[in-house]
Amino acid sequence: DAMVIQNPRYQVTQFGKPVTLSCSQTLNHNVMYWYQQKSSQAPKLLFHYYDKDFNNEADTPDNFQSRRPNTSFCFLDIRSPGLGDAAMYLCATRNSGSSYEQYFGPGTRLTVT
Amino acid sequence: KNQVEQSPQSLIILEGKNCTLQCNYTVSPFSNLRWYKQDTGRGPVSLTIMTFSENTKSNGRYTATLDADTKQSSLHITASQLSDSASYICVVSERGGGNKLTFGTGTQLKVEL
Repeated sequence: DAMVIQNPRYQVTQFGKPVTLSCSQTLNHNVMYWYQQKSSQAPKLLFHYYDKDFNNEADTPDNFQSRRPNTSFCFLDIRSPGLGDAAMYLCATRNSGSSYEQYFGPGTRLTVT
Repeated sequence: KNQVEQSPQSLIILEGKNCTLQCNYTVSPFSNLRWYKQDTGRGPVSLTIMTFSENTKSNGRYTATLDADTKQSSLHITASQLSDSASYICVVSERGGGNKLTFGTGTQLKVEL
């Protein structure tokens, strides 16, 4: 009965090779977030979707893109991963109409070789 | 600039003992404060969430307090267990602004026999 699912849990990609991380949710929440978390650091918001509206953080590199084809799914695309992009990527969801609460997925650990 | 500071940075305690983690914040305008538990390699899991009018909230062996006047919060863990070993993250939300969260860098707790 997992509510926010991230696939894969571990991803290894080569320097410069595009990679896509996946997030799906069974909560029917209208807001979905992508965070980057490096070792021993706080999660850093990359962008979020409020319904279909995409909201990019000002300091998110252009190398990071996102797609939300429907309510349930959201993808993080890294067009040309660099060594500095190795991190845990967390997806979170929220129902803006009823709660402040963000529900996090288990994360995808990205390694860049 | 909105900031959330946590102390101590790390803590080691013996199983069965109590401990208290601290959080100070400068986020304004304040909406709510959450404590998350993050196991190594996993996504954060919500423990408590408190709004301006709430000054204490419990979740099992976890009790959070909030002093909105001094902008301080604490998380008290009673009768610690080995499974409490994790990072505890204090997160503060701004009122309006799309529910933007400011994360602390966490307190790394280790519970030993």
